[in-house]
Amino acid sequence: RKEVEQDPGPFNVPEGATVAFNCTYSNSASQSFFWYRQDCRKEPKLLMSVYSSGNEDGRFTAQLNRASQYISLLIRDSKLSDSATYLCVVNIGQNFVFGPGTRLSVLP
Amino acid sequence: GAGVSQSPSNKVTEKGKDVELRCDPISGHTALYWYRQRLGQGLEFLIYFQGNSAPDKSGLPSDRFSAERTGESVSTLTIQRTQQEDSAVYLCASSLEVGYGYTFGSGTRLTVV
Repeated sequence: RKEVEQDPGPFNVPEGATVAFNCTYSNSASQSFFWYRQDCRKEPKLLMSVYSSGNEDGRFTAQLNRASQYISLLIRDSKLSDSATYLCVVNIGQNFVFGPGTRLSVLP
Repeated sequence: GAGVSQSPSNKVTEKGKDVELRCDPISGHTALYWYRQRLGQGLEFLIYFQGNSAPDKSGLPSDRFSAERTGESVSTLTIQRTQQEDSAVYLCASSLEVGYGYTFGSGTRLTVV
């Protein structure tokens, strides 16, 4: 099993839709979790950290389920500008491992 | 500086030549990471520095790859005797310390011809 796995995608959704991504991780000792977004031919940028209690930032909500070892990202009222690849990041010891990413295309 | 700075932004080199890539982290960031991203692929961990601790080199793909960091400042990634499969974007990231989200530089796009 890979250390970090994500929904394969791509997700093609209309503007205004709600979309959710899942990410699973293999190391039960992982403590730090993040979602990054990466635009085409650009570097990844931190979208949000994921806290145990779940957290929300505007239209974005992140959840952590330690028992099942997965994290999720929910995007409400999606915008054209949300089109990107969403990367799940999990610490494995001192290192951070990136998932393969899920590509989202928001269509007009 | 305000962000993570990488240089050069693009590098084209002939197969067999050595290249050196540079990363200037955000001032005060103790953790520094190098990743590689091939076209259309995910990020591949290469090496990690945390303060004055011994670096985690477990991701370096071969002994042609090496990296150094002086204290909590600049890091250089050196690739010796470059091969075509080394062509990729090399991304550097820094963070305040382990456990915090980190900031990426815009990368060095390496093309080996």
